[in-house]
Amino acid sequence: GEDVEQSLFLSVREGDSSVINCTYTDSSSTYLYWYKQEPGAGLQLLTYIFSNMDMKQDQRLTVLLNKKDKHLSLRIADTQTGDSAIYFCAEIVTGGGNKLTFGTGTQLKVEL
Amino acid sequence: EAGVAQSPRYKIIEKRQSVAFWCNPISGHATLYWYQQILGQGPKLLIQFQNNGVVDDSQLPKDRFSAERLKGVDSTLKIQPAKLEDSAVYLCASSPWGGEAFFGQGTRLTVV
Repeated sequence: GEDVEQSLFLSVREGDSSVINCTYTDSSSTYLYWYKQEPGAGLQLLTYIFSNMDMKQDQRLTVLLNKKDKHLSLRIADTQTGDSAIYFCAEIVTGGGNKLTFGTGTQLKVEL
Repeated sequence: EAGVAQSPRYKIIEKRQSVAFWCNPISGHATLYWYQQILGQGPKLLIQFQNNGVVDDSQLPKDRFSAERLKGVDSTLKIQPAKLEDSAVYLCASSPWGGEAFFGQGTRLTVV
């Protein structure tokens, strides 16, 4: 199966950390991605992790992958108002065409 | 490096009319995707090209939607005839190898 699920909404205070979660069902996933979408814009690639990794850090972003539980998370440190957007996780399964499948999206709201 | 270009940005048509969207991917990217994003949902893959060949079109409503990628570069997506439920943002993305995808701004279609 190729279902990718996320919680719909997250609200945090400016300066706090945000954690956005994602679960996927295809154990053959090889790459997992996080995209950001601001209102009226396309999707911006934030970061990705290869399936043989447990963690990847990129400035304020930390990606954690629990392959056993098929769980992916994105932690944003020191969340700013400019981080308010919808965040999508996506998985790709190499072989069979490298189909890129997106989750349902989590809307992050950052409050002052 | 120029990004993925899409046109038009916005389109309003009446149901049963036809519409076409155009996409120019990043130069050298072999993989091109068309996604449909209905308001409040994640992007749904309509069709994926590898060069000028179709890799996956399993979710493309072929009775009304068609897409082509002549010469393995630009692509057009057509809807004929349009239905109310086709109102969505149509996103084009390209990838050098079928992995991380880079998105255009999208075309917002409203069918009235």
